Amino acid sequence: EPEVTQTPSHQVTQMGQEVILRCVPISNHLYFYWYRQILGQKVEFLVSFYNNEISEKSEIFDDQFSVERPDGSNFTLKIRSTKLEDSAMYFCASMGIEDEQYFGPGTRLTVT
Amino acid sequence: GQNIDQPTEMTATEGAIVQINCTYQTSGFNGLFWYQQHAGEAPTFLSYNVLDGLEEKGRFSSFLSRSKGYSYLLLKELQMKDSASYLCAVSYGNKLVFGAGTILRVKS
Repeated sequence: EPEVTQTPSHQVTQMGQEVILRCVPISNHLYFYWYRQILGQKVEFLVSFYNNEISEKSEIFDDQFSVERPDGSNFTLKIRSTKLEDSAMYFCASMGIEDEQYFGPGTRLTVT
Repeated sequence: GQNIDQPTEMTATEGAIVQINCTYQTSGFNGLFWYQQHAGEAPTFLSYNVLDGLEEKGRFSSFLSRSKGYSYLLLKELQMKDSASYLCAVSYGNKLVFGAGTILRVKS
């Protein structure tokens, strides 16, 4: 069964550094998303992406964040100048024409 | 705001039926998802409702009333492995807004 994959599974970085989180969505899906979940809190929407551009973003998704689809398979989230409060699980999701949104296993980001 | 409300915790007995309710704000509603999330893992897709009525998938069913801004997830023949957090999420435009989740504890 097709699935969303994410790398790395765990990323440790120092405050102020840049990180890139990578996702490979399900191959025939057209809509892509990033979410984050701080430990013990609810899942929060960051950004949605369709047709090579951002379709919607939340208040959290400020200039520190950017997304890119550099080729036909990868979808990346870049976080510039990381802060301690960026520590969270970051989930990528993709959705096809059936409107079923599937999540990847997540990347645990720890900022020290 | 787009608040999604669901109970914080529920406890049920193995083999029983449990219903987890969710209410949401109807303005801008596109559809409603239910996910299961075990601790430390990603949400797993359970169901998607866009029209009124009941959708059944094996032991799990999901109901939607668009006019009332109300949904429920029904779990039948509960098993110990069903102990998890159940997340109600509403699609508004191109974003998914999640509730805080309902922690379900299944006891033997």
